[in-house]
Amino acid sequence: EAGVAQSPRYKIIEKRQSVAFWCNPISGHATLYWYQQILGQGPKLLIQFQNNGVVDDSQLPKDRFSAERLKGVDSTLKIQPAKLEDSAVYLCASSTRATNEKLFFGSGTQLSVL
Amino acid sequence: SQQGEEDPQALSIQEGENATMNCSYKTSINNLQWYRQNSGRGLVHLILIRSNEREKHSGRLRVTLDTSKKSSSLLITASRAADTASYFCATCRFDSWGKLQFGAGTQVVVTP
Repeated sequence: EAGVAQSPRYKIIEKRQSVAFWCNPISGHATLYWYQQILGQGPKLLIQFQNNGVVDDSQLPKDRFSAERLKGVDSTLKIQPAKLEDSAVYLCASSTRATNEKLFFGSGTQLSVL
Repeated sequence: SQQGEEDPQALSIQEGENATMNCSYKTSINNLQWYRQNSGRGLVHLILIRSNEREKHSGRLRVTLDTSKKSSSLLITASRAADTASYFCATCRFDSWGKLQFGAGTQVVVTP
């Protein structure tokens, strides 16, 4: 079974620039999550999708972050404009009720904002 | 805010020894999960324990849950160098299926 795919693996940008991350979840997984993991901390949920609808985006800084999941499969997370404090690893995860509530994570995109 | 708090923050042991780490949380939960993260990689699910369970085993892993104290522990027996990683507990509340809140993690180093 293919895992959660994310790209790019690394991204370096300057502050005020924009950046986008892509995620392809495990086939058949209806729920998709974007987490932000700052160095030395645990992952923090940014947004949760169920199919192509948003379940929870309460922790998403909506003035600069946006996410979409067209057709209920792939998802993109965008930051515009980026700030220094956005430097983190952005993790995508997917799940389905059949997997007994456990999440499957991708390898993440490491973002450095200079 | 992060729901779980792991203790200790870091742990250094030798191969063959046991590693124990603890997690405390604040609100009532539906289940608690433990994940492992190798350096530069995503998280891998290790084990899930439900609020009505007190102990679970999976291979060399043993997890306990004390809902009265709002705490959990993860024991890795007979550790190996390959167990070197960060370990995170994550809690899931009854009203938020799939939405996990992670602690800051315990960094475990196992030396040969």
